Amino acid sequence: AQSVSQHNHHVILSEAASLELGCNYSYGGTVNLFWYVQYPGQHLQLLLKYFSGDPLVKGIKGFEAEFIKSKFSFNLRKPSVQWSDTAEYFCAVRSGSARQLTFGSGTQLTVLP
Amino acid sequence: EPEVTQTPSHQVTQMGQEVILRCVPISNHLYFYWYRQILGQKVEFLVSFYNNEISEKSEIFDDQFSVERPDGSNFTLKIRSTKLEDSAMYFCASSVIAGRRTDTQYFGPGTRLTVL
Repeated sequence: AQSVSQHNHHVILSEAASLELGCNYSYGGTVNLFWYVQYPGQHLQLLLKYFSGDPLVKGIKGFEAEFIKSKFSFNLRKPSVQWSDTAEYFCAVRSGSARQLTFGSGTQLTVLP
Repeated sequence: EPEVTQTPSHQVTQMGQEVILRCVPISNHLYFYWYRQILGQKVEFLVSFYNNEISEKSEIFDDQFSVERPDGSNFTLKIRSTKLEDSAMYFCASSVIAGRRTDTQYFGPGTRLTVL
């Protein structure tokens, strides 16, 4: 069965710091990869997604992620975070022919002003 | 921008009672999902639904759960006899029917179910 690991449970950064959140998955076949964000009191919103092609994908609000197949990773990055990026970030994977998403445990990002 | 909506936002019920959680998917979407997140745990897939039938379901989705599309807009999750361990945030999601490689799920705000 697919599993998704997000090793950072809580990350605290100052504004303008760079961000990298790790995501690793276990399935060795074809995958679709997603990052969702949940701002306080709001619903899960799609940040970015990877289906195929260029392994470096750009999403909303200056976020990007890189798919490294050999490392089974899809890490999320942002060069300079803002206070408004404070939220919980979820990595999700769809594997093989399934439609269901398998989620990581989430990373709570706190950006200090 | 169209959004998935869910009602109620918070439901409190007694153990053994039936609850129905409601979702209105995005209007041109045809694939529907339910997920749940127990406090402090991962978001877990429950069931997917297409063309008026269950497409996939997880081990969690046992006989006490059922889903229905009662009309052209609503998608419901029913829990027949709630247990304490059903307390969780329940998320509805929908996606446009398309090739699997371009399918993106859009999530609602969730219903927090508390079973006493």
